[in-house]
Amino acid sequence: DQQVKQNSPSLSVQEGRISILNCDYTNSMFDYFLWYKKYPAEGPTFLISISSIKDKNEDGRFTVFLNKSAKHLSLHIVPSQPGDSAVYFCAASGPGTYKYIFGTGTRLKVLA
Amino acid sequence: DAGVTQSPTHLIKTRGQQVTLRCSPKSGHDTVSWYQQALGQGPQFIFQYYEEEERQRGNFPDRFSGHQFPNYSSELNVNALLLGDSALYLCASSPRTIRQGPTDTQYFGPGTRLTVL
Repeated sequence: DQQVKQNSPSLSVQEGRISILNCDYTNSMFDYFLWYKKYPAEGPTFLISISSIKDKNEDGRFTVFLNKSAKHLSLHIVPSQPGDSAVYFCAASGPGTYKYIFGTGTRLKVLA
Repeated sequence: DAGVTQSPTHLIKTRGQQVTLRCSPKSGHDTVSWYQQALGQGPQFIFQYYEEEERQRGNFPDRFSGHQFPNYSSELNVNALLLGDSALYLCASSPRTIRQGPTDTQYFGPGTRLTVL
């Protein structure tokens, strides 16, 4: 039962353009969402998070949008840079639990 | 400020053997979680340790066990290794003991790549 889904295994974007990575979830009890970036041979690096009381959170070039009614979140990267090329994971957590449930990841390639 | 560290980096074992992986949390963090990441998948939660006790466990068999020490470092032990245990094992630490939103964010180490032959 995949509670967090990233349906696009890969995405290619030109440098300077916007990258949009999507994530869907099925559990309406989730109230905290995160995005991690992972380079090969490294652990996931925390990027940005959002709680369910908000619908948007920004940090520099990264913005996360949350649509609770659609059970959908997205990560926007503007402008995209070649160094952003990595695998991006979304994760979710809910009240009364300490674990994160991860999607399967989207590989982003930013073309110079 | 050192981040989360894990050892060893790589490990090769044969079926039936036992393995111990180690993790030191980020400075100021007292909670350690372990995840297994199989190839092409996202990390899957194994368990979390706080105050030297297992606080929550994911859907992993009893062959997976852990320990947390008074200095907050942690070990993951896997007994009777199976081929399917081959994966990247990730340790994550977090600074708070009670979920309070962003302050509970888990920060990951580089992982230990376990190969079971």
